[in-house]
Amino acid sequence: EAGVAQSPRYKIIEKRQSVAFWCNPISGHATLYWYQQILGQGPKLLIQFQNNGVVDDSQLPKDRFSAERLKGVDSTLKIQPAKLEDSAVYLCASSLDRLEKNIQYFGAGTRLSVL
Amino acid sequence: DQQVKQNSPSLSVQEGRISILNCDYTNSMFDYFLWYKKYPAEGPTFLISISSIKDKNEDGRFTVFLNKSAKHLSLHIVPSQPGDSAVYFCAASAYNQGGKLIFGQGTELSVKP
Repeated sequence: EAGVAQSPRYKIIEKRQSVAFWCNPISGHATLYWYQQILGQGPKLLIQFQNNGVVDDSQLPKDRFSAERLKGVDSTLKIQPAKLEDSAVYLCASSLDRLEKNIQYFGAGTRLSVL
Repeated sequence: DQQVKQNSPSLSVQEGRISILNCDYTNSMFDYFLWYKKYPAEGPTFLISISSIKDKNEDGRFTVFLNKSAKHLSLHIVPSQPGDSAVYFCAASAYNQGGKLIFGQGTELSVKP
């Protein structure tokens, strides 16, 4: 079974530029999550999708971050414009559904450096 | 407000000995707890979990203990192996939050041969 795929693996941009990350979850997983992991901290949830609908985006800085999940499968996360403090690893995860006892499976992440 | 805390950033253990990683939480609504393991340049990988109705769950060399009254859980690895060297994250979820995980800061375990 293929895991969660993310691209690109690394991205370096200058502040005020825009950037987009892509995620393909495990086939059949209805729930998709985007996390931000700053160096030395644990992952922090940015947004959660159930199929193509948003379940929780309370931690998403909506003035600069946006995300969509077209047709309830792939998802993209965009930052526009980027700030220095956005430097982090962006992790995508998926699970069968959003019940609390579902295991979330993570991709390898995209490491973003904002200069 | 750090709802899940791992107060030890790092731990060093000799191969063959026991590794004990600790995690504390503040939210009494949490009722499901997980441990994830992360190697460099990889995403976190699920290791073991425990529901709040239990106080122990075991899977091979890995055992998780939950003390609800103290709001504390721990992961025991016996015997520790060099391949266990990684960052370990504790995570928690609540029944009314739709699967949302709250993670601790992580503990980096180093198992020396």
